Amino acid sequence: EVQLVESGGDLVQPGGSLRLSCAASGFTFSNFGMNWVRQAPGKGLEWVSFIGSTSTAIYYADSVRGRFTVSRDNAQNSLFLQINSLRDDDTAVYYCVRLGGGRLDDYWGQGTLVTVSS
Amino acid sequence: DIVMTQTPLSSPVTLGQPASISCRSSQSLVHSDGNTYLSWLQQRPGQPPRLLIYKVSNRFSGVPDRFSGSGAGTEFTLKISRVEAEDVGVYYCTQVTQFPRTFGQGTKLEIK
Repeated sequence: EVQLVESGGDLVQPGGSLRLSCAASGFTFSNFGMNWVRQAPGKGLEWVSFIGSTSTAIYYADSVRGRFTVSRDNAQNSLFLQINSLRDDDTAVYYCVRLGGGRLDDYWGQGTLVTVSS
Repeated sequence: DIVMTQTPLSSPVTLGQPASISCRSSQSLVHSDGNTYLSWLQQRPGQPPRLLIYKVSNRFSGVPDRFSGSGAGTEFTLKISRVEAEDVGVYYCTQVTQFPRTFGQGTKLEIK
């Protein structure tokens, strides 16, 4: 069974940093690209970042470029998102999403909540 | 960036009746490989999103056949043939053709 479990969300002050993690299981992690997608409270979905299976291809939304860094450890079946210079509008649930063959967002984690507040 | 526009934003439906959601993209979603990477997601209350339809009209594993997708180019539609209580939630279209990825605003499906 495919499982994606996010962790690392917390209450952080503006300007602070966090490292989100996503533990993958039930599939060959190194064969799949992965996305981070976030959802502010009561709002819609916003794509944040993509990393290819070998980390060669990496993309960011304009709203996070320069502040967020996506990475992965295929040996540990883990995906990461380093978030720096946090702003109030970064408050959201962050989802780890597998990009299946044929470009499907086929599996989503339960999400981890990041709250930015003083 | 490709802008995805959904209509309606809210859809009250009677149980057992059909429902339809439209999604328009600001530019063609046809990829250079010939595929159109338009997906539909369902988000039930308190749950993460779930993939329903991919590449315009392909139902994902386990998705009931009352859900169907259609369209081409820049105009797409999600149809539910007979709405059931478990279909309540928010539906999003999303394009996977190019980065940055973009989503529609979401359409809230509720029971009358």
